[in-house]
Amino acid sequence: DQQVKQNSPSLSVQEGRISILNCDYTNSMFDYFLWYKKYPAEGPTFLISISSIKDKNEDGRFTVFLNKSAKHLSLHIVPSQPGDSAVYFCAASARYSGNTPLVFGKGTRLSVIA
Amino acid sequence: GAGVSQSPRYKVAKRGQDVALRCDPISGHVSLFWYQQALGQGPEFLTYFQNEAQLDKSGLPSDRFFAERPEGSVSTLKIQRTQQEDSAVYLCASSAGPGQETQYFGPGTRLLVL
Repeated sequence: DQQVKQNSPSLSVQEGRISILNCDYTNSMFDYFLWYKKYPAEGPTFLISISSIKDKNEDGRFTVFLNKSAKHLSLHIVPSQPGDSAVYFCAASARYSGNTPLVFGKGTRLSVIA
Repeated sequence: GAGVSQSPRYKVAKRGQDVALRCDPISGHVSLFWYQQALGQGPEFLTYFQNEAQLDKSGLPSDRFFAERPEGSVSTLKIQRTQQEDSAVYLCASSAGPGQETQYFGPGTRLLVL
């Protein structure tokens, strides 16, 4: 039973446009969410995170939105650049229950077309 | 270096052989995690250390898997009598400590069992 779901295996976006990657979760104990970016043959690189006490966090071109009632979060990349082409993983943890390991989705492969 | 390092980067083992995978976390990071990533999947939690104490090993798939961190820094993941289903990328991550949920990943060790 997947607790973190990324239902779109892939996404193609034109350079300069917005990329929106979605993630759903089922465990209501999750209270901290992260997005990682992964290039082939490299480990995941931390991008941005959000605590459950917030509904938005922004860092440069990257913004994460959290909708707790829907158990849904999304990552917006504006404007998208060819270098953003990678696999993006959504991850969650239940830190206040002392459960610190991350639970990951299966990833979404983003292709930004020049 | 400043990041998490892992060695070897690639390992080919014959079925039944024992392997040892090494992780050097970011200097000063208290928490260390091991994850297993199968092809096309997100990373899955294996085990967690806080300093030298192994606080959670619930993700280890069998008693053939063993991890240690004797001095609270470098960690080794050992797999005994490897099987083909052990083929995966093994990722190590570290974080500054409890309450510091952002985990930073190494490049991974790609294990292929023939």
